[in-house]
Amino acid sequence: DAGVTQSPTHLIKTRGQQVTLRCSPISGHKSVSWYQQVLGQGPQFIFQYYEKEERGRGNFPDRFSARQFPNYSSELNVNALLLGDSALYLCASSTRDRTIGTEAFFGQGTRLTVV
Amino acid sequence: GQQVMQIPQYQHVQEGEDFTTYCNSSTTLSNIQWYKQRPGGHPVFLIQLVKSGEVKKQKRLTFQFGEAKKNSSLHITATQTTDVGTYFCAGPGNFNKFYFGSGTKLNVKP
Repeated sequence: DAGVTQSPTHLIKTRGQQVTLRCSPISGHKSVSWYQQVLGQGPQFIFQYYEKEERGRGNFPDRFSARQFPNYSSELNVNALLLGDSALYLCASSTRDRTIGTEAFFGQGTRLTVV
Repeated sequence: GQQVMQIPQYQHVQEGEDFTTYCNSSTTLSNIQWYKQRPGGHPVFLIQLVKSGEVKKQKRLTFQFGEAKKNSSLHITATQTTDVGTYFCAGPGNFNKFYFGSGTKLNVKP
């Protein structure tokens, strides 16, 4: 079975632009979470979606939005990009709602560079 | 706000030496998870602890969850070069958030 897949793997954008990152969870997984990982730091929680509903939101500005589709894939959108948005964006899928405790499987991430 | 801290930030050991990383949460956790991230890679799930005082072992790795469910530790016995990476603890927070610790970067010299 395929693991969590994210696209694109690398992306370079200019300040002020908008970006969409995509994630396909492991087959059968209904929960998708998004994280931002700045070099040298731990992943920072952005969103969790479970059964197509937003179940959790981290401390990120409204420029960050996400959605989950009927096939449980997900997109993360970031508007009005800032230099500080440069990071590795990780998607994780799990069978259940993350907050009740369940193993999560991470994708390889999308490396976003804002110039 | 809720914080999950890890110490030490870095650890350099000689192959064969033991290694321990400690995780402390500002609030009680319903469960705690540990992940390993190799350089250039993504986090990989190692284990989940749920019960107060729980101890779990995976070969050379021993995981503990504190009695108050606010701290945890990961101990590696006789490190190997394959243990190189950053180890993160993580757990659920208020309002359905999920927190990762700051991580401990382990370097093992052969």
